[in-house]
Amino acid sequence: AQTVTQSQPEMSVQEAETVTLSCTYDTSESDYYLFWYKQPPSRQMILVIRQEAYKQQNATENRFSVNFQKAAKSFSLKISDSQLGDAAMYFCAYTGRIGANSKLTFGKGITLSVRP
Amino acid sequence: NAGVTQTPKFQVLKTGQSMTLQCAQDMNHEYMSWYRQDPGMGLRLIHYSVGAGITDQGEVPNGYNVSRSTTEDFPLRLLSAAPSQTSVYFCASSPSGRGFNEQFFGPGTRLTVL
Repeated sequence: AQTVTQSQPEMSVQEAETVTLSCTYDTSESDYYLFWYKQPPSRQMILVIRQEAYKQQNATENRFSVNFQKAAKSFSLKISDSQLGDAAMYFCAYTGRIGANSKLTFGKGITLSVRP
Repeated sequence: NAGVTQTPKFQVLKTGQSMTLQCAQDMNHEYMSWYRQDPGMGLRLIHYSVGAGITDQGEVPNGYNVSRSTTEDFPLRLLSAAPSQTSVYFCASSPSGRGFNEQFFGPGTRLTVL
């Protein structure tokens, strides 16, 4: 079975600074997808960024980028120029290619606070 | 499009009561899923469906039933609620097709079982 581990329950960052959220995973599959989801206090789940395992290039979406280390099974999220609106819970998630559209495995999440 | 809708938004039950959490989507998505979110546990998959008439169990299916009679609806039934089922429940849907298609989440239902 696949597992996703987020070992840091909380992190804090100063506004305009950069923060990195860590995630490791375990799988025996060679082809899969990894994601970071944001959950603000409204509870809505928002897809921030995704990475396809067969792509070596790290994904980037505006101020959000990932460091994907396939051999180490590591998938960290870097948030640059942090903004107050980035304060939320962030979940790392995994899905294999089979059943990719219906089954996500989530980490426990990390609560990010942004100091003004 | 309303996207993925869930009703009710909040619910309080007594132990042993039954209820159905409703989920509907108007995007003609083939795939639908139910997750529960508990503090310190992340989201865990309860049941999922890859099309009308087809359902399967996820990671934590015990105590829950589902059915998928139409593409649009995917209700989650609690037959005899227990305090351990106190949680926030999310429904999600996505299109079928090769590769990954983003799952769209509903706003969630907060359920408390006393």
